[in-house]
Amino acid sequence: AQSVAQPEDQVNVAEGNPLTVKCTYSVSGNPYLFWYVQYPNRGLQFLLKYITGDNLVKGSYGFEAEFNKSQTSFHLKKPSALVSDSALYFCAVRPTDSWGKLQFGAGTQVVVTP
Amino acid sequence: DTEVTQTPKHLVMGMTNKKSLKCEQHMGHRAMYWYKQKAKKPPELMFVYSYEKLSINESVPSRFSPECPNSSLLNLHLHALQPEDSALYLCASSQDGGGPSRLGEQYFGPGTRLTVT
Repeated sequence: AQSVAQPEDQVNVAEGNPLTVKCTYSVSGNPYLFWYVQYPNRGLQFLLKYITGDNLVKGSYGFEAEFNKSQTSFHLKKPSALVSDSALYFCAVRPTDSWGKLQFGAGTQVVVTP
Repeated sequence: DTEVTQTPKHLVMGMTNKKSLKCEQHMGHRAMYWYKQKAKKPPELMFVYSYEKLSINESVPSRFSPECPNSSLLNLHLHALQPEDSALYLCASSQDGGGPSRLGEQYFGPGTRLTVT
């Protein structure tokens, strides 16, 4: 069975400081991993994905994520957070044998203070 | 253009009403999805259409009825809903057909906020 864990309900960070949102996964076979962000009263926006290749994936809005197979993690990072990064972040895994079913983590609320 | 549009933005309906949610994408995507999302929770998959055919029904009650009239449109027909069906309903699409070993990311619409009274 596939699962995704986001261990922090909320992350608080000051503007300009580095931002990290944690994600660990459990999946049989090769993991296909995604990060999405949801702003209030909006749909989810795709940030980045890891399929294969380079462990460091760069995405939209200055975000990047590092795939670590030994630690089964896919943490989202941004070197310098903005107030506008305040949102709900979801990590998701896509099982290779599934029909379009993304397994989402519970979500992490990011609050960036000025 | 990576836009998925949904109408209406908000919908209030009684338990005896019939209404429909609409979703549209003009990106040539071959798979379309309906999700239900409660506040501060992850989306829950309801239906997947691949090449205009229903591929997945996640044991959704029959009071929700999906329809895919063509490759750009997806509808969700609602009838005799319950108050617990109140949620944000999200439509998404992906370039691939959504099938096994397809790795395309999904693009989401802004959602329809549904309230059942």
